[in-house]
Amino acid sequence: GENVEQHPSTLSVQEGDSAVIKCTYSDSASNYFPWYKQELGKGPQLIIDIRSNVGEKKDQRIAVTLNKTAKHFSLHITETQPEDSAVYFCAASASGGSYIPTFGRGTSLIVHP
Amino acid sequence: EADIYQTPRYLVIGTGKKITLECSQTMGHDKMYWYQQDPGMELHLIHYSYGVNSTEKGDLSSESTVSRIRTEHFPLTLESARPSHTSQYLCASSATTKNTGELFFGEGSRLTVL
Repeated sequence: GENVEQHPSTLSVQEGDSAVIKCTYSDSASNYFPWYKQELGKGPQLIIDIRSNVGEKKDQRIAVTLNKTAKHFSLHITETQPEDSAVYFCAASASGGSYIPTFGRGTSLIVHP
Repeated sequence: EADIYQTPRYLVIGTGKKITLECSQTMGHDKMYWYQQDPGMELHLIHYSYGVNSTEKGDLSSESTVSRIRTEHFPLTLESARPSHTSQYLCASSATTKNTGELFFGEGSRLTVL
């Protein structure tokens, strides 16, 4: 089955700095890579996703890159703000909605004002 | 806003009690999931369902059971709660037809067993 590794487990940055979270996956059949943000007391919520036919995707301060050859993908947050503080999860799945996604272990991002 | 609801949000009960955590979604999604989230953040899949009358065990062994009699409803039951069941339980749903695999999560049920 799929195995997703996520690093780091904790990331502490100053407001305005950039933050990068990295994930690797093992199953070459995986073609959908979402990122979820979980705020305190809430369930995870999708913030951005990327498919295997795309190398990079941006949405304002958030970007995701994918390297299919190396089987790794990363989340980049620029100009971090205190409200970016949360737990972030990467995931990988194959064939869109047909398969159960495999999640990384999560990264706790702390943005200091 | 996702239309998926979990009740209760918080529950404190004594050992040996039977409890049911409710999960309902109004999006018509065919797939539903239960995750157990430990204090270390990691999400452990304990049950999932592909649709009505379908239930499967997840990666993490659990003493809980689930049922899927209606598309919108996926309750989780513990017949005899123990302190080791203390955890956060997250319900989620997704639509196979959307072909995105995006999961919509509820806000969670935090269970404490004394």
